[in-house]
Amino acid sequence: DGGITQSPKYLFRKEGQNVTLSCEQNLNHDAMYWYRQDPGQGLRLIYYSQIVNDFQKGDIAEGYSVSREKKESFPLTVTSAQKNPTAFYLCASSRDHRSPTTDTQYFGPGTRLTVL
Amino acid sequence: AQKITQTQPGMFVQEKEAVTLDCTYDTSDPSYGLFWYKQPSSGEMIFLIYQGSYDQQNATEGRYSLNFQKARKSANLVISASQLGDSAMYFCAMRRNTGRRALTFGSGTRLQVQP
Repeated sequence: DGGITQSPKYLFRKEGQNVTLSCEQNLNHDAMYWYRQDPGQGLRLIYYSQIVNDFQKGDIAEGYSVSREKKESFPLTVTSAQKNPTAFYLCASSRDHRSPTTDTQYFGPGTRLTVL
Repeated sequence: AQKITQTQPGMFVQEKEAVTLDCTYDTSDPSYGLFWYKQPSSGEMIFLIYQGSYDQQNATEGRYSLNFQKARKSANLVISASQLGDSAMYFCAMRRNTGRRALTFGSGTRLQVQP
């Protein structure tokens, strides 16, 4: 089945440690996105990539890093510089960023990160 | 800058009745898209419906319809014949059609369907 997978589902991290969240899609989508969701709030954009080997900062990029070496994969690293990393992280992808009508974003199941 | 406002933190509806979830938006872009997503307790965001800013007719997808009033900058979601499985968080979102194509989300509305 085609879709977006995120792993792990739950992640615990000690303060001062870097951690990498995985996001993989087999939908052949060009664009991929990372969002953060805090309790009772909407999603906020961390990073996005419209094409392989290119990515852009979103609204809350500080303390995060990404790479886009393959079309299928867009891992997110939460670094020790991120002051409040406990949150729910959602990855999304869309087929064609050049076409408004086919640019619907579909989401993975999310990773819940807790800093101990 | 874009902004989405959802003024209803929580809503109740009786099973089999219709419910309207409000969404207003603000943008200076002439071309944009409006989306509604459902987030059940599992956390996954499920795409429900899309409306383009130049679409003449309101979008419909099964029991979901989008009441789009461009002059008022509103894009309300109407769910007909509510079911218990409709209980979830609902988010309105907007996307520019040029430049950065990421979504801007509202704060959401929690819908509870009562038997």
